[in-house]
Amino acid sequence: AQSVAQPEDQVNVAEGNPLTVKCTYSVSGNPYLFWYVQYPNRGLQFLLKYITGDNLVKGSYGFEAEFNKSQTSFHLKKPSALVSDSALYFCAVRDTGFQKLVFGTGTRLLVSP
Amino acid sequence: NAGVTQTPKFRVLKTGQSMTLLCAQDMNHEYMYWYRQDPGMGLRLIHYSVGEGTTAKGEVPDGYNVSRLKKQNFLLGLESAAPSQTSVYFCASSTTRQGVRTEAFFGQGTRLTVV
Repeated sequence: AQSVAQPEDQVNVAEGNPLTVKCTYSVSGNPYLFWYVQYPNRGLQFLLKYITGDNLVKGSYGFEAEFNKSQTSFHLKKPSALVSDSALYFCAVRDTGFQKLVFGTGTRLLVSP
Repeated sequence: NAGVTQTPKFRVLKTGQSMTLLCAQDMNHEYMYWYRQDPGMGLRLIHYSVGEGTTAKGEVPDGYNVSRLKKQNFLLGLESAAPSQTSVYFCASSTTRQGVRTEAFFGQGTRLTVV
């Protein structure tokens, strides 16, 4: 069965510093990987995805993620954090053989001024 | 282009009452999903549909029923609400482009409280 782990409940970073939000996955086939962001009282917004190809994926709002097959990881990164990046971030995976999208438990990012 | 619209946005139910949450998408997507979001547990899949007239169980289907009579609509029903069903419910839809399923598009959520 496919699964996603986000080992950190919360990540704290100062504005202007680089940020990383971690995600590891488990699937039986080739993974389709996604990052979503949720602002308070809002639905989930799509940030970026990895389907195939280049291991470094660029997405919305300056975010990027690195796919590492050997470590089964798909960490979200941004070179310089903004206070407005503070939100709840979800990693998700879909196995090519399944139709379901499975989410991690989420990581709250707090960027301090 | 409204995307995915959920109705209602908020609801308070008494234990044992029934209700239906409506999800509508105007993107002609084949796939639709219902998730619930609870603190510390992320999003868990309740039911999903791969096309009109078809539904399937997700991770936490007990206590819920769904129907997909029209391609654009996906209904989530609670026949007899319980306090454990207090949650925020999200509907999502996705499609396939060039044989690859796209990212899911989410509605704004329905906050349900069962007292």
